[in-house]
Amino acid sequence: GAVVSQHPSRVICKSGTSVKIECRSLDFQATTMFWYRQFPKQSLMLMATSNEGSKATYEQGVEKDKFLINHASLTLSTLTVTSAHPEDSSFYICSASTGVGEKLFFGSGTQLSVL
Amino acid sequence: EDQVTQSPEALRLQEGESSSLNCSYTVSGLRGLFWYRQDPGKGPEFLFTLYSAGEEKEKERLKATLTKKESFLHITAPKPEDSATYLCAVHSLQGSARQLTFGSGTQLTVLP
Repeated sequence: GAVVSQHPSRVICKSGTSVKIECRSLDFQATTMFWYRQFPKQSLMLMATSNEGSKATYEQGVEKDKFLINHASLTLSTLTVTSAHPEDSSFYICSASTGVGEKLFFGSGTQLSVL
Repeated sequence: EDQVTQSPEALRLQEGESSSLNCSYTVSGLRGLFWYRQDPGKGPEFLFTLYSAGEEKEKERLKATLTKKESFLHITAPKPEDSATYLCAVHSLQGSARQLTFGSGTQLTVLP
């Protein structure tokens, strides 16, 4: 199946700093990527839809100035958590679709811990 | 608004003890229902897509079925390596392309 690489897998940062998470589709082009957030023992909550070459679409309640998304190429999308606070600590997951059968392939996730 | 409810929240089985996981959904037009497996600290791994009522798909010890209101993931003679959280998700006509609504998952533990 298609491979989606997400980096880093784990990051610990101080409150007030910014953290960038990368999501790459390794063997296919992804015009659309999705960013999810997941709290322990809870489901994936869609944060935003990232479209190559255009502005991301954010879900209701997600601050676009705090969670900056850039989709500069057909194989790379980045999520930057700006001025991180402890409440931003969570598991962040990206996904991309090959467009065939609407299957989504997920990255391995990034565990963000803000101290 | 699309809704997906999975039950039970957690399930403990002995190795070899078959069982089923349930995914009930309410959507305005189903494009597809997806099953994923998620291991701790990892992203979801795709298992199956079902598109219409009556459809069934199998992979090793897993079999997914679909009706107009729910889907079941049957696990036959499970092994400890089947322990994971199983997520169900729907893609509806209301959602944008490839946007899924996820259930909260069933955490399966298979004891040796």
